[in-house]
Amino acid sequence: AQKVTQAQTEISVVEKEDVTLDCVYETRDTTYYLFWYKQPPSGELVFLIRRNSFDEQNEISGRYSWNFQKSTSSFNFTITASQVVDSAVYFCALSEAGYGGSQGNLIFGKGTKLSVKP
Amino acid sequence: GAGVSQSPSNKVTEKGKDVELRCDPISGHTALYWYRQRLGQGLEFLIYFQGNSAPDKSGLPSDRFSAERTGESVSTLTIQRTQQEDSAVYLCASRRGTRGDTQYFGPGTRLTVL
Repeated sequence: AQKVTQAQTEISVVEKEDVTLDCVYETRDTTYYLFWYKQPPSGELVFLIRRNSFDEQNEISGRYSWNFQKSTSSFNFTITASQVVDSAVYFCALSEAGYGGSQGNLIFGKGTKLSVKP
Repeated sequence: GAGVSQSPSNKVTEKGKDVELRCDPISGHTALYWYRQRLGQGLEFLIYFQGNSAPDKSGLPSDRFSAERTGESVSTLTIQRTQQEDSAVYLCASRRGTRGDTQYFGPGTRLTVL
């Protein structure tokens, strides 16, 4: 069965600290996609990154970086030098691209609420 | 182009009434999803449309929920005889045709059932 676990419910940091949000997933498919979305207080889900199961290269985008490790089924997200504007709920999600019944819908973790204090 | 739009942004209704929520996907996106987000929770999949194929309704929580989509255009989610537990934010997402492509979300409709 597919599942996404974000063990950290809430994290609070002070501005400029680095913070890592954990994401562990379960799937039987060999082809799948992993995503991170940001949900600021306004409520809209903002796409951050998409990764396919065949590409384990880590990725960096500005202050954001992602570490994908298939061996541990993890797709962790690090914010370097956090800012108050990073305060939001962050969701990790899994989409299976196999044809065993999945329609590509996203399976979400419960989210991690990040609070960055000035 | 424009993103996914949803209307209304807020809906307050009385228990037992029917409600209709609308989603306008990104132009050219053949796939459309509805999700529900209850307070403080993650998102739950409700229903999926792909072009003119039969929808995948496997996530609908009860037969009071239904949805329609004509071709690759607007979709409506209807909840009949609303209950208080239906209170949630209903989010719509669309993507291009390939599974695994990024889903882009609308701003959601916040439904409150009194």
